[in-house]
Amino acid sequence: SQTIHQWPATLVQPVGSPLSLECTVEGTSNPNLYWYRQAAGRGLQLLFYSVGIGQISSEVPQNLSASRPQDRQFILSSKKLLLSDSGFYLCAWSKGADSNQPQHFGDGTRLSIL
Amino acid sequence: AQSVAQPEDQVNVAEGNPLTVKCTYSVSGNPYLFWYVQYPNRGLQFLLKYITGDNLVKGSYGFEAEFNKSQTSFHLKKPSALVSDSALYFCAVRPITASGTYKYIFGTGTRLKVLA
Repeated sequence: SQTIHQWPATLVQPVGSPLSLECTVEGTSNPNLYWYRQAAGRGLQLLFYSVGIGQISSEVPQNLSASRPQDRQFILSSKKLLLSDSGFYLCAWSKGADSNQPQHFGDGTRLSIL
Repeated sequence: AQSVAQPEDQVNVAEGNPLTVKCTYSVSGNPYLFWYVQYPNRGLQFLLKYITGDNLVKGSYGFEAEFNKSQTSFHLKKPSALVSDSALYFCAVRPITASGTYKYIFGTGTRLKVLA
């Protein structure tokens, strides 16, 4: 069966520090991978998605970047964190284009910026 | 613009009563429709989906959803609510396009509170 892992679960970082959040998927190949941010337990904002190694689509211009160095690894980064980067970051995967399959989510990373 | 609306920020229901969480969408064509549930400090968990066929689909934990094409709605229902159903619920659609799409469009979420 497929599983998705995100780490760390929680992170407290000072303003201006770098960030690296990692997401890995097991049990499937060539997944579509996604990063979302959720503010205050409400709606999801799509940040990035990737349909293959090295292919990144950015949805919202911001202080973050994403990379996909391996088929089942998706990394969210920042060189200098801002207070507004605080939130709950969720990684997800799905299969195919126009697939009727749902996305599958990791358990998220809660990021607090001090 | 394509969108998904969940008109109620919060729904309160007494335990044992039926519940409905509403969702309408504005997406061209015949998209795939999904419901997810999120418990505190957890990721979204898939509940059910509509692809085609019978307008009433059944999913996990006794939930079901009713698809109405003319009203472009996909309301989540459960005949008898449990306190443990209290959570945040998201409706999502995946548009189907000629060029292919990888994105899902989510509603803003509805907080369900089941009162004992």
